[in-house]
Amino acid sequence: GDSVTQMEGPVTLSEEAFLTINCTYTATGYPSLFWYVQYPGEGLQLLLKATKADDKGSNKGFEATYRKETTSFHLEKGSVQVSDSAVYFCALSDPYSSNTGKLIFGQGTTLQVKP
Amino acid sequence: SQTIHQWPATLVQPVGSPLSLECTVEGTSNPNLYWYRQAAGRGLQLLFYSVGIGQISSEVPQNLSASRPQDRQFILSSKKLLLSDSGFYLCAWRRQGVVGYTFGSGTRLTVV
Repeated sequence: GDSVTQMEGPVTLSEEAFLTINCTYTATGYPSLFWYVQYPGEGLQLLLKATKADDKGSNKGFEATYRKETTSFHLEKGSVQVSDSAVYFCALSDPYSSNTGKLIFGQGTTLQVKP
Repeated sequence: SQTIHQWPATLVQPVGSPLSLECTVEGTSNPNLYWYRQAAGRGLQLLFYSVGIGQISSEVPQNLSASRPQDRQFILSSKKLLLSDSGFYLCAWRRQGVVGYTFGSGTRLTVV
């Protein structure tokens, strides 16, 4: 079945460091891919998405490129801030395996940014 | 614009007590609705989803149930809570045919 695998955390960085959070997926069709962010004590917010191969999603300085050949959707940011400290979830929606729009999530990666 | 409301924000319940969490969506009709649970230190697990009134699909066997009495209302229930039901419960909605969800702010449930 479809699945998403994220790098384990926590990831601890100093402010202005470069961030990469790895995400790979397994899907039967051509899924859409997402990154969601969860700030402490809050629900999930959509950070960015990509719906087809080679698409790049971007928002708030974060970027991720849909790589079909490596089945990956790694999240990157050139210079992190303390306010980026949160849990980041990679997710996919595969219409070929389900027409109900279910999102399958990775286990989440905690990012801690120190001043 | 569309909004999703989820309440209560926090809840502490004794073992064996009943549970009712409510989620409502405004500004749209016939949404797909979802309940997820996030246990401490773990990822998100899909519990239930619904594509229409009275239509509920369960993803995992458990102590919980869901109902959709109205088009934009989704309720998560339990007759008798277990300690293992503790977690952060998230409701989400999606417009049919559109990719991706919008999540509610979540309910943190602690069973003691």
